[in-house]
Amino acid sequence: AQTVTQSQPEMSVQEAETVTLSCTYDTSESDYYLFWYKQPPSRQMILVIRQEAYKQQNATENRFSVNFQKAAKSFSLKISDSQLGDAAMYFCAYRSAGKALVFGKGTKLTVNP
Amino acid sequence: KAGVTQTPRYLIKTRGQQVTLSCSPISGHRSVSWYQQTPGQGLQFLFEYFSETQRNKGNFPGRFSGRQFSNSRSEMNVSTLELGDSALYLCASSLVVGGQGAEAFFGQGTRLTVV
Repeated sequence: AQTVTQSQPEMSVQEAETVTLSCTYDTSESDYYLFWYKQPPSRQMILVIRQEAYKQQNATENRFSVNFQKAAKSFSLKISDSQLGDAAMYFCAYRSAGKALVFGKGTKLTVNP
Repeated sequence: KAGVTQTPRYLIKTRGQQVTLSCSPISGHRSVSWYQQTPGQGLQFLFEYFSETQRNKGNFPGRFSGRQFSNSRSEMNVSTLELGDSALYLCASSLVVGGQGAEAFFGQGTRLTVV
């Protein structure tokens, strides 16, 4: 079974600084998708960024970018120029064709002013 | 385009009762998934429906069931509620099950409290 591991239960960053959240996954599939979701205290899960496994280029969405290392099965999220509104739980997720999303346990990000 | 709508937002039920939660997906999305979120267990997958058929199922007891209607709206039912069923129930919709368009968009959730 596929598993997703987020080894950092909590992280903190100073406003305007950069922070990297880690995620590793285990799979024997070759075709899959990886996602980062953000869940603020309002509790609605918001899609931050997605990465197709067949693409070598790392995905980027404004201040959010990923470092996708397929061989190492690693998928980290970098948040640049951190803002107070970035404070939330961040979940790494994996999905292969025809299968359900599998989530990690999450990383709680605190942004200090 | 309207997002995923879950109703009700909050619910308080007594042990032994049953409850039905509703989810309306984004227009055009045919896949609906349900997740249970608790502080201890995190996000756990319940089931996924696509075109009225259950495509994937998580490891939950038979007290948890769901269905999807022809308009893609989905309902989730929990019978004989237990205290441990208290959780945030999240619904997500996607265009397809896996592959291109598989990113899931979530509703705001239903907070169920069993007393």
